Order: sequence, then structure tokens, then C-alpha cells
Amino acid sequence: DIQMTQSPASLSASLEEIVTITCQASQDIGNWLAWYQQKPGKSPQLLIYDATSLADGVPSRFSGSRSGTQYSLKISRLQVEDIGSYYCQQAHSNPLTFGSGTKLEIK
Amino acid sequence: QVTLKESGPGILQPSQTLSLTCTFSGFSLSTYGMGVGWIRQPSGKGLEWLANIWWDDDKYYNPSLKNRLTISKDTSNNQAFLKITNVDTADTATYYCARTEFITIAAISTGNWFAYWGQGTLVTVSS
Repeated sequence: DIQMTQSPASLSASLEEIVTITCQASQDIGNWLAWYQQKPGKSPQLLIYDATSLADGVPSRFSGSRSGTQYSLKISRLQVEDIGSYYCQQAHSNPLTFGSGTKLEIK
Repeated sequence: QVTLKESGPGILQPSQTLSLTCTFSGFSLSTYGMGVGWIRQPSGKGLEWLANIWWDDDKYYNPSLKNRLTISKDTSNNQAFLKITNVDTADTATYYCARTEFITIAAISTGNWFAYWGQGTLVTVSS
């Protein structure tokens, strides 16, 4: 199975701050990587697919990048509505696996 | 507009079989490249992928649940199903169904992520 090591587990940041969350894949998955946001009490929502493509309706302050087997989600200017948990998911091979999640709070 | 909605028993006892239904609209599971997946989330914990079923009836399972999972579909009624046998308390979770797809454009493939999710159904296993 492909392991996705996500960090940090939790993050507290100020409004308008830049926030970065990373996922390290245990093997080469190319661009087969997605990011999700899950607001408290809600279902996950797709933010980024193919490592860098923004999903429909997602604000442009969200962006994804890749360096080898390390993937990053960046929020350029943190807003109140961005609080929640974030998960990466490798889409390269079965079993599909998720990162352990990052809980984002406002400082 | 794509929507999905899960339904399940709410509560069941250890060793019973969990049967879940996903009723969807806005797409068809007979369309090339379309799929439905099941993902679960214990309260306060992370996401675990369980199974996918595809337009051509291909099925993929998480081997961590060994042979306890069966996924199926009813294309004419826009439904997908998941059965989990011999449940125990560790299966207590919110269960989501979600639409997935596999696309090939100009020999480049993409997909296997979940663009649309249901609201989830809470399943509690308790004696």
C-alpha cells in the first residue's frame, strides 16, 4: 500500500496568513494526488486534483504543488471560512489511501 | 446537479451484516469512466477508503477489510450498495458514498478522486 504522511497534524494561524500543509508519498505517484477540505460536521469537499488543478468553485487562494513525492497545499491568505480539516489522497493505485489529516484553526 | 445520499440501518449488533445504499442523481453509472466509492470516518478520526465500483462493473476493495466487503450497483435505479459482513465496534463510523471518475484525454489519464460526496450516514455497532 502507498502511505501518505501528512504534516502538521494541527495548525493554528492568523487571518490573512499563508498556510502550507504537506503530504509525503511512500513511492512515486506522479500527479495522482487530491486534496480535500472538511468543515466541522460536513462531508469532505474536493479542493485540488491532479496535484495542482483547482476544483470547480474553489477560491483561487488555494493552490497545490509537487516536488518529487512531496505534495503541498497552500492557502495564500487564510480566511475564517477555511477552518476545518484537510486531507490528501493518493489516486495512483488501489487501495486508495488518505493522509491522516491536518486540523486548521484560527489563532 | 450531482447529488448522492447514503442510507443505512443506524445501529446494528456485532456479527451482523451492514447494508448501505447510495442513491444518486445527476450522473449515470452506465456512463464510460464513472464510478462510485465508499469511504468511512470514525468520529474524530480520518478517512478510510473502502471500495469503488465502476461503469463497467469493475470492483476494487480495501484489502485491510479482507473479504468482508461486497460492492454492487443498480444502474437503472441510480443506486450503489455496500455490504460489510461480521461487523464489530471498530466499524462504527460515518459512511460516505462519493462519485469518482476515470478520464483519458490525449492518452493522459486522470481521476480516482472524489468530486461529489453524500452527506454521510452514521452507523453504530453496539450490543
